[in-house]
Amino acid sequence: GQNIDQPTEMTATEGAIVQINCTYQTSGFNGLFWYQQHAGEAPTFLSYNVLDGLEEKGRFSSFLSRSKGYSYLLLKELQMKDSASYLCADLDSNYQLIWGAGTKLIIKP
Amino acid sequence: NAGVTQTPKFRILKIGQSMTLQCTQDMNHNYMYWYRQDPGMGLKLIYYSVGAGITDKGEVPNGYNVSRSTTEDFPLRLELAAPSQTSVYFCASSYGENTEAFFGQGTRLTVV
Repeated sequence: GQNIDQPTEMTATEGAIVQINCTYQTSGFNGLFWYQQHAGEAPTFLSYNVLDGLEEKGRFSSFLSRSKGYSYLLLKELQMKDSASYLCADLDSNYQLIWGAGTKLIIKP
Repeated sequence: NAGVTQTPKFRILKIGQSMTLQCTQDMNHNYMYWYRQDPGMGLKLIYYSVGAGITDKGEVPNGYNVSRSTTEDFPLRLELAAPSQTSVYFCASSYGENTEAFFGQGTRLTVV
């Protein structure tokens, strides 16, 4: 099957840390992308993982476990501007992106 | 550097009308894509192209057509608009199949 699962909505407090999980069940795997999408705007690239482990990029980090079909996006020192939807996308065996429905992150002061 | 330019931003069509969504990129990317995004759903691939003269169907191609006569341009054609095609459409391009995709600003299409 080709299912990407991520929570529909999460709420966090400004300055805190939040982890957004993503599980995938695709046949064949060529990497996992995370994109950020502010309301009414286009998605923008955050990260790409193809090997197991954690990749850190400033306040954002992304983790991948291929054996578990699992990834997460970790956002530290949350700012109000981080309020957005976070899209997980799996690059399948045909090198086509399979997108999750996105996690809407709400940041409260 | 303009990136990916997509027009129009908004459009209202009547059932049965036709229109073309324009997309152009100035990054010399070989890969270009058309997606639609419906509320509560993930992006769905309509058509994609791996280079000039080459196009392929994605997950939801019915009711749409594309062409890729140049590296820069990848227009999407709706021939007979139906209410089910009401959606937000995004064009995107990338250097390779496993590299960052750059998106246009989107077209919000309503078919009434």
